[in-house]
Amino acid sequence: GDQVKQSPSALSLQEGTNSALRCNFSIATTTVQWFLQNPRGSLMNLFYLVPGTKENGRLKSTFNSKESYSTLHIRDAQLEDSGTYFCAADNNAGAKLTFGGGTRLTVRP
Amino acid sequence: NAGVIQTPRHKVTGKGQEATLWCEPISGHSAVFWYRQTIVQGLEFLTYFRNQAPIDDSGMPKERFSAQMPNQSHSTLKIQSTQPQDSAVYLCASRGQGAEEQYFGPGTRLTVL
Repeated sequence: GDQVKQSPSALSLQEGTNSALRCNFSIATTTVQWFLQNPRGSLMNLFYLVPGTKENGRLKSTFNSKESYSTLHIRDAQLEDSGTYFCAADNNAGAKLTFGGGTRLTVRP
Repeated sequence: NAGVIQTPRHKVTGKGQEATLWCEPISGHSAVFWYRQTIVQGLEFLTYFRNQAPIDDSGMPKERFSAQMPNQSHSTLKIQSTQPQDSAVYLCASRGQGAEEQYFGPGTRLTVL
């Protein structure tokens, strides 16, 4: 089954608007990573989270371990934010990552 | 810091041939991970090494796939007798000792004809 369920699978945003992506975990999760995969296929690190919240520019991410979910908020979306966003769960501090299915984001001018 | 280096970036093989993929982790990183990405299965874990020792190969297909890490500066993933269903992007990641965040290389796109 889906150990890491990511939603939505696709999202289209008008430039300048806000949105949120979510991952629900059905495996024990100690830390979460969020990545952006660019059109060339490279996975760029966005956040590494223990339970709590981090913010970086227009991005903000939360990992709630008690309720087994993580969110990624995008504020004032820009064209360069387009790509596929992945969350990944680490269930044994420092071991393998289990990935969600990704959210394909398109930001429209 | 050049990041994780993977070579080749693209490889095309005929069915039944062998493919060897190379990964150079970030200097000083003690753990190396291999993942595979396909449209159908998404991103899947294959195997990982810590301090060059194999730790978890639970994601590796039981036949034809093998991975080694002969020294701290590189790891290889070998696929024998490649099949069309092996076509995928193979991603390598590394992680530093004491730091849990994984950093990914650009991947090797393997196409088996």
